[in-house]
Amino acid sequence: GQQVQQSPTSLVLQEGENAELQCNFSTSLNSMQWFYQRPGGSLISVFYNPSGTKQSGRLTSTTVIKERRSSLHISSSQITDSGTYLCAMEPPSGSWQLIFGSGTQLTVMP
Amino acid sequence: GALVYQYPRRTICKSGTSMRMECQAVGFQATSVAWYRQSPQKTFELIALSTVNSAIKYEQNFTQEKFPISHPNLSFSSMTVLNAYLEDRGLYLCGASRGQNTLYFGAGTRLSVL
Repeated sequence: GQQVQQSPTSLVLQEGENAELQCNFSTSLNSMQWFYQRPGGSLISVFYNPSGTKQSGRLTSTTVIKERRSSLHISSSQITDSGTYLCAMEPPSGSWQLIFGSGTQLTVMP
Repeated sequence: GALVYQYPRRTICKSGTSMRMECQAVGFQATSVAWYRQSPQKTFELIALSTVNSAIKYEQNFTQEKFPISHPNLSFSSMTVLNAYLEDRGLYLCGASRGQNTLYFGAGTRLSVL
């Protein structure tokens, strides 16, 4: 079955609203990351977050490894936040591979 | 800093032909390289993981016969898509690790098949 369940699939917000993206993992994991995928396809690592809460500007990531879940919170969304956000987990095998979620397509409207 | 250059960025090939993509690690030693594919409307799937001095490990649904990978040194890896057909189109991404808990990704190679 699918090891990484990401929700929602898509999200439309008005500028200034907050966004909450979720990832749940069906197996144990070593760590997880949040990525932003540019329109051309390349990935930007937003957070590497083995456990706990990390904040960078308007973005906050909270990962609870024991509960196999992670969230990405975007506060006061801006139009430039629009795009695809992907979470990915590193399984415990220690082989540096990542298993990706299906992505959340975020659209921020003016 | 650590960078990964991947090329070509875009390529088009005729159905049944092959194409090769390359991944160059700059500023660090890429002990492991992972190749991913994102098919249209789908998320990234791991194709294979290559670790220097170890056998290349392919995921289910991907084979060496179809996606041969070369990882000759700590800065370079290449993957070829042999006999490409429509179902092989998508974005191919390489991610390189220097043995710590971080993968550095290239910009991707977008493959179109005519």
